[in-house]
Amino acid sequence: SQQGEEDPQALSIQEGENATMNCSYKTSINNLQWYRQNSGRGLVHLILIRSNEREKHSGRLRVTLDTSKKSSSLLITASRAADTASYFCATVKETSGSRLTFGEGTQLTVNP
Amino acid sequence: DTEVTQTPKHLVMGMTNKKSLKCEQHMGHRAMYWYKQKAKKPPELMFVYSYEKLSINESVPSRFSPECPNSSLLNLHLHALQPEDSALYLCASSQPLRSGEQYFGPGTRLTVT
Repeated sequence: SQQGEEDPQALSIQEGENATMNCSYKTSINNLQWYRQNSGRGLVHLILIRSNEREKHSGRLRVTLDTSKKSSSLLITASRAADTASYFCATVKETSGSRLTFGEGTQLTVNP
Repeated sequence: DTEVTQTPKHLVMGMTNKKSLKCEQHMGHRAMYWYKQKAKKPPELMFVYSYEKLSINESVPSRFSPECPNSSLLNLHLHALQPEDSALYLCASSQPLRSGEQYFGPGTRLTVT
């Protein structure tokens, strides 16, 4: 069963705007990861944030983690049409080794 | 080389057929995974191999049979599947016990008729 919930389920924005997606989870985690999936393709790892980190940046991506609220957000700045994809958060529990538990995902559409 | 390859890309099979999905990686990863993904849903974990041994089976029906012949290869043998088994099957690899990112292949789109 999936422990993560993401909102919104779908997000449509114009090129150049920022996109924010949120993820909530239920148990203590070792880390939280974000993946992107283009339609019908494999998942691509975007960024990993550990439980003792609060914020992380990678290019146009900014991820925050609030372990007290068991939530994370992914911000994509200056979005491009090529950012159109599904975005999934995935948690690794403290005791689960490398096992990922995925959220339901957010479908992002960036209109040119 | 950070690529995970999967063959075939597409597979159509009848309910009485036997087929196999293949996955290969050359990153030296010692953990490999099979996931099943239905449309507009997240991937669901099916099996995990760690150091070529099956470490997790998520109560998958026996009509799916995984095999890890060596540290670079992962197979999924399919037999007597049902139409509801139609899905995207994803393979992934990672370093075991490192809690790090997984590298995914492009998937095999399976249709059971």
